[in-house]
Amino acid sequence: DAGITQSPRHKVTETGTPVTLRCHQTENHRYMYWYRQDPGHGLRLIHYSYGVKDTDKGEVSDGYSVSRSKTEDFLLTLESATSSQTSVYFCAISDYGSGANVLTFGAGSRLTVL
Amino acid sequence: QKEVEQDPGPLSVPEGAIVSLNCTYSNSAFQYFMWYRQYSRKGPELLMYTYSSGNKEDGRFTAQVDKSSKYISLFIRDSQPSDSATYLCAMDFGTGNQFYFGTGTSLTVIP
Repeated sequence: DAGITQSPRHKVTETGTPVTLRCHQTENHRYMYWYRQDPGHGLRLIHYSYGVKDTDKGEVSDGYSVSRSKTEDFLLTLESATSSQTSVYFCAISDYGSGANVLTFGAGSRLTVL
Repeated sequence: QKEVEQDPGPLSVPEGAIVSLNCTYSNSAFQYFMWYRQYSRKGPELLMYTYSSGNKEDGRFTAQVDKSSKYISLFIRDSQPSDSATYLCAMDFGTGNQFYFGTGTSLTVIP
């Protein structure tokens, strides 16, 4: 998947527990994104980052936080997981600014909150 | 009203057929238009990428953008069973921080 690794790929957790998903890229792209994908809703942006320590909210950011301490790593944290956060989470990267204004996606992390 | 509308299908065609997939959008400020293919339990992968209006061809795939009608299309010629997947359209303003996706059209090509 074009130098993007997501971990874990699958996780089952209980309501109220914290969860962290990790995205690691080897492409040295400036922009990184977290999306969730749900039936009937398609891909929705949670948070994105445009550089180390530079992040901003997306369409569905409530209940999620992110951190980016290095160019290659972007973490998504659910502080207290709820059943409504059961979803497939995709990390994406973009080389925006270089002319290639497209997203490249990771393989996804499937999260189930019981 | 959603920014991007896409018929979810499902669409089922015989092998060798020409497939037409479409999206409509509401915001005339969109500048970049993309088509992604997503196999079951995989991440979306970029198929076609177009800036502004016009056509772009890549092998069996042709992407069309009609900005006057706010309508984009993906044509697949000589469809193959390996084309069976969900196809997502996406677009953005060229700012790098806000991509809008259709909900995807599920395609099955029957051998």
